[in-house]
Amino acid sequence: DGGITQSPKYLFRKEGQNVTLSCEQNLNHDAMYWYRQDPGQGLRLIYYSQIVNDFQKGDIAEGYSVSREKKESFPLTVTSAQKNPTAFYLCASSSRGTGPREQYFGPGTRLTVT
Amino acid sequence: GENVEQHPSTLSVQEGDSAVIKCTYSDSASNYFPWYKQELGKGPQLIIDIRSNVGEKKDQRIAVTLNKTAKHFSLHITETQPEDSAVYFCAASVTDKLIFGTGTRLQVFP
Repeated sequence: DGGITQSPKYLFRKEGQNVTLSCEQNLNHDAMYWYRQDPGQGLRLIYYSQIVNDFQKGDIAEGYSVSREKKESFPLTVTSAQKNPTAFYLCASSSRGTGPREQYFGPGTRLTVT
Repeated sequence: GENVEQHPSTLSVQEGDSAVIKCTYSDSASNYFPWYKQELGKGPQLIIDIRSNVGEKKDQRIAVTLNKTAKHFSLHITETQPEDSAVYFCAASVTDKLIFGTGTRLQVFP
């Protein structure tokens, strides 16, 4: 059963704590992405990686960090420096080719920080 | 950079009617335009996409049209059903990065 998995579905943390969100894909995709979704807004890009051991900042990277040590995994750490971390976080992946490719999303992780 | 505007923000239709959602984009170099459907508490699902060398694409009850001159594209859903109720997002891209619209909440009433 191919796809993208994100865990956990719900995550609760106290303010000041770092937290890591998991994203795994078995689609053999080279590129992976992290988005943040807030109510009434579209998806905003946090970080993306087009190849193992390489990643780039998206539009709202401040307060977040990522790693890409394996092709199938792209974990996102929400640090205590992120001012408003409560949100729905979505991971996506795509194959690489000439021009933009279809992105496929995981089920998301809802993070609540109090 | 690219900016995508989406209208309307909410849309209510009777079952069997058609629904149209419109998006405009700012970067004339954008060449890929996907549409996603998101159900409550789930990740977005790609339902149809179009590239700039095509003016229209259909898949059963769903169609997308693209007007490159005016820089807008639209999603058309015919014969709507209650299970079409969801939030729909458009996006535009010229690279590997997608820029999303703010979403349209579609409600189909039986």
